[in-house]
Amino acid sequence: DQQVKQNSPSLSVQEGRISILNCDYTNSMFDYFLWYKKYPAEGPTFLISISSIKDKNEDGRFTVFLNKSAKHLSLHIVPSQPGDSAVYFCAASRMYSGGGADGLTFGKGTHLIIQP
Amino acid sequence: GAGVSQSPRYKVAKRGQDVALRCDPISGHVSLFWYQQALGQGPEFLTYFQNEAQLDKSGLPSDRFFAERPEGSVSTLKIQRTQQEDSAVYLCASAIKNIQYFGAGTRLSVL
Repeated sequence: DQQVKQNSPSLSVQEGRISILNCDYTNSMFDYFLWYKKYPAEGPTFLISISSIKDKNEDGRFTVFLNKSAKHLSLHIVPSQPGDSAVYFCAASRMYSGGGADGLTFGKGTHLIIQP
Repeated sequence: GAGVSQSPRYKVAKRGQDVALRCDPISGHVSLFWYQQALGQGPEFLTYFQNEAQLDKSGLPSDRFFAERPEGSVSTLKIQRTQQEDSAVYLCASAIKNIQYFGAGTRLSVL
C-alpha cells in the first residue's frame, strides 16, 4: 500500500506560467514533508520542505502548501522556467525530538515538462 | 568534495556474484541512509546509520543485503549472491537537520 501518492505521472506547463505538483499521503504519523527534483543520471536534489506545524513555506519561486486535514501537499513553481523540467518527488517522514528522522517515504514522481 | 559521493557509478554483475557499493557522505553528517530505486519508481528506504550504529535495517529486502559504516563515515552496502531482481539504482544520502542530501547513485545491472 503506497503511503505517499503522486497521481500525475507527467505534467506539461508553458514557460512563464505556474506549475502545480500534487501529493497525497495516508500515514497520519508523517510530520515532515520534502520535495526533491531529479535530473536523469543524477541523484535527487533537495528543493524545499515543510513541517506539519506550518501550512506554507516559500523559497524564491518555490512554495509548498500543506493541508493536514486532507493529507495533501502541493508544490507551486512560479514562474516556470525551462530548467525546471525534471522529475519531482514528494517525500514524507517522522521527526524525533532529538533531531533525527525516519527514512523517507517517496511517491513515484511527476515528470514536469516546461514548454517554451 | 562537497557532496555525497558514490562508487562505482555503474556495476554489471553476473547472477550469483557478490557486489559492494561505496558511499562517502558529506563531512560531518552523522546520519546516513541507503535507498533502492527501481525503474519508474521512487526511492525505497533500505537502512539508516547514526554514526557507526545501524539504527534501522527494516527496509533491507533479504539477508543477502548487508550494510556497514565501521568508523561512522564511509558506508558500504554489500549484496551477496545477486539476483536479477536486485537490478536497480542504489542511492545513498547523508543528512543534517532532517534534510537528506543524495549522491548520484550506483546503477546495478544483474545479468
